[in-house]
Amino acid sequence: AQKVTQAQTEISVVEKEDVTLDCVYETRDTTYYLFWYKQPPSGELVFLIRRNSFDEQNEISGRYSWNFQKSTSSFNFTITASQVVDSAVYFCALSLQISSGSARQLTFGSGTQLTVLP
Amino acid sequence: DGGITQSPKYLFRKEGQNVTLSCEQNLNHDAMYWYRQDPGQGLRLIYYSQIVNDFQKGDIAEGYSVSREKKESFPLTVTSAQKNPTAFYLCASSINLGLAYNEQFFGPGTRLTVL
Repeated sequence: AQKVTQAQTEISVVEKEDVTLDCVYETRDTTYYLFWYKQPPSGELVFLIRRNSFDEQNEISGRYSWNFQKSTSSFNFTITASQVVDSAVYFCALSLQISSGSARQLTFGSGTQLTVLP
Repeated sequence: DGGITQSPKYLFRKEGQNVTLSCEQNLNHDAMYWYRQDPGQGLRLIYYSQIVNDFQKGDIAEGYSVSREKKESFPLTVTSAQKNPTAFYLCASSINLGLAYNEQFFGPGTRLTVL
């Protein structure tokens, strides 16, 4: 069985602070994909990044960066110099193949509510 | 503009009634999904469909039903058998490309409240 744990339920920071959102996953599969989504107050989930299990390179996109460590089964997300607009719920998700050549099921963590205060 | 639309945005249901949530996509995606989100929890998969006229149960399918008569449409019916239907419902779609990985695109959601 697969599982995604986001232990931080809520985080509050002051604008311009850096913040790291933790994500720990469990799976027996050797091929899998990890995702981060952002859910602003409007409710729609917005895709941020995906990473496959064979690519452990860290990635940086503007103020966002992701640290994938297979040895600790973690895929953490850091926002540098946070802004009020970063306030949202952030979800980490794990994707496994359900059956050959078919749709993929996403297993979501419970999410981290990030509040950035002005 | 390509995307996923869900209607209505807010829906109120009396106990014992069936209601249908609409989901339409113009992304030409093969796969579509329905998720339920409860406060403080992640998304849980209700049903998914890989292709027209085919769909599979997810983790919490009891009390729900779906149909997939057209590629672009995947309506969800919340039946009276669903004991606690008040939640936020999200529809998603993705390209179905075999071994290729692909993200899911989400609609804006429908908030269902049982009165």
